[in-house]
Amino acid sequence: DQQVKQNSPSLSVQEGRISILNCDYTNSMFDYFLWYKKYPAEGPTFLISISSIKDKNEDGRFTVFLNKSAKHLSLHIVPSQPGDSAVYFCAAGETYSGGGADGLTFGKGTHLIIQP
Amino acid sequence: DTGVSQDPRHKITKRGQNVTFRCDPISEHNRLYWYRQTLGQGPEFLTYFQNEAQLEKSRLLSDRFSAERPKGSFSTLEIQRTEQGDSAMYLCASSFRQPMQETQYFGPGTRLLVL
Repeated sequence: DQQVKQNSPSLSVQEGRISILNCDYTNSMFDYFLWYKKYPAEGPTFLISISSIKDKNEDGRFTVFLNKSAKHLSLHIVPSQPGDSAVYFCAAGETYSGGGADGLTFGKGTHLIIQP
Repeated sequence: DTGVSQDPRHKITKRGQNVTFRCDPISEHNRLYWYRQTLGQGPEFLTYFQNEAQLEKSRLLSDRFSAERPKGSFSTLEIQRTEQGDSAMYLCASSFRQPMQETQYFGPGTRLLVL
């Protein structure tokens, strides 16, 4: 069962407009969430994160929104630039007070294409 | 460059051979993770270390997979008796443990092709 879902395999956005990437999760134990960007043949690059005690986190052109009741988060990129074209992964983690934790659980990714 | 490094970047091997991959984490990070990524999927967690202790290994795909981090610095992932289904990108990540937040930084990955 997929605990983190990105239901849009691809998204095409015009340069300068807003890109909105969505992610849903099912495990209510997840309490921090991250977005990664990945180019072909490279490892994922960290973009932005949010913990469950917040509902919004902003870093430059990137904003992540978290709706805990809906178990939904989204990444907004404003304005979109050609270099933003990549695959974006949503990931979720569970903090663990006992000193250990599993790794991150990833969605399948959304391929964002920025058109000139 | 102080990021996570992995070696080799590419590995081609024949079915039945053993392969070993190395990961060097960011120096001040105490946690090191291994993931596998196949085509069309997100990274899949395999195992992780805090310092030299392997705290989770139940997600390793089979008993052919093993990982070590002998001195709490670099780590190795070994696959014995490789199978064609092992062909994938193997990713390493490191982090510094913080309450309620743990950003993992990934290396460039090792792409394995089993013929």
